[in-house]
Amino acid sequence: DQQVKQNSPSLSVQEGRISILNCDYTNSMFDYFLWYKKYPAEGPTFLISISSIKDKNEDGRFTVFLNKSAKHLSLHIVPSQPGDSAVYFCAAKLGGADGLTFGKGTHLIIQP
Amino acid sequence: EPEVTQTPSHQVTQMGQEVILRCVPISNHLYFYWYRQILGQKVEFLVSFYNNEISEKSEIFDDQFSVERPDGSNFTLKIRSTKLEDSAMYFCASLGQGESYEQYFGPGTRLTVT
Repeated sequence: DQQVKQNSPSLSVQEGRISILNCDYTNSMFDYFLWYKKYPAEGPTFLISISSIKDKNEDGRFTVFLNKSAKHLSLHIVPSQPGDSAVYFCAAKLGGADGLTFGKGTHLIIQP
Repeated sequence: EPEVTQTPSHQVTQMGQEVILRCVPISNHLYFYWYRQILGQKVEFLVSFYNNEISEKSEIFDDQFSVERPDGSNFTLKIRSTKLEDSAMYFCASLGQGESYEQYFGPGTRLTVT
């Protein structure tokens, strides 16, 4: 039962270019979406989030876009830097302070 | 910057033994969570805890699992009789009160059941 899907297990991007990570979801009741970054042997680190009533949220180099009709969100990182190399998880929640449903993650590799 | 801490970082135990994983959430947070990640798989929600009781739990969180907030700072996950398939990274997370819903995660405890 994959309610949150990240269909690209890995993505390789040149330093300085834009990284676009994609996420699809099936449950239209999700009301809040989050992106986490994870390095090996560490816990997920919160990056950026978006409420279902918005279609865009921006924080520095990171922008999240939400397309509710397509049940799709994306994370844009521009410009990509070597330190961005990590696994990125998309997560969603249903309401209140509910537990998060995670995707399987996308391993982003930034090449010099 | 305040952070969630977890101990131990690595726990090895024999099948059938009880383990307790410990977490210290961020001090002014009110909601607490446990997640696990089996090697190569996604992070899975186990349980959430608020106002000294379980507020939500997943299908994974069966009678072998329990959670407790024994004092004002610690939040624990107990597995009564460990199985081989309990081997995973266990992450604690906490959430403050307010409009944002960003849960903050600890570094995890790697549980190895032999």
